[in-house]
Amino acid sequence: GDSVTQTEGPVTVSESESLIINCTYSATSIAYPNLFWYVRYPGEGLQLLLKVITAGQKGSSRGFEATYNKETTSFHLQKASVQESDSAVYYCALGDDGSFNKLTFGAGTRLAVCP
Amino acid sequence: GGIITQTPKFLIGQEGQKLTLKCQQNFNHDTMYWYRQDSGKGLRLIYYSITENDLQKGDLSEGYDASREKKSSFSLTVTSAQKNEMAVFLCASSIGTGAGNTLYFGEGSRLIVV
Repeated sequence: GDSVTQTEGPVTVSESESLIINCTYSATSIAYPNLFWYVRYPGEGLQLLLKVITAGQKGSSRGFEATYNKETTSFHLQKASVQESDSAVYYCALGDDGSFNKLTFGAGTRLAVCP
Repeated sequence: GGIITQTPKFLIGQEGQKLTLKCQQNFNHDTMYWYRQDSGKGLRLIYYSITENDLQKGDLSEGYDASREKKSSFSLTVTSAQKNEMAVFLCASSIGTGAGNTLYFGEGSRLIVV
């Protein structure tokens, strides 16, 4: 079946440092999956951070970027300079490009940004 | 914007008991979902519904029932609670089922079985 593997947390970085959270996927039933990063801030529900549905494209939101790399089956999340407000749990997910958007999620990576 | 409300936030029950979680959304979305999240693992789909009175099984439907009484609500019942299924249950909704549609999630309901 399909699977998503991401950096095991917790990840702790200092404010203004750069960040990368790795995500690799295995899509056995889907030729070109849609790729997502969802985020859960403390006290809030899971919400979409960014998505990319075309291989080779880059998505960005709130200073975060992720590039859909079909060759390495990766979708790493990066930010050049993190802020304390970025502290959250980040989930990488892949979705079917067919009629039903069934999502397969990674286990999540907890990020703590220290002031 | 809309909101997804899950009740209760914490559900405590005894082993073997039938327990029900409720979810309401005011996005006017057609599709609703129930996911289960175990500690340290990704979310897994239990049931989804593409419209009122529709039910579709996900990967983890055994031991659960669901009900979509109206467009705005989606309930999940644990038919016989077991201690090994203590987890967080997440409700979500989306406009449709099309590829790339964004899911909107509730804050989650934690199941505790004593």
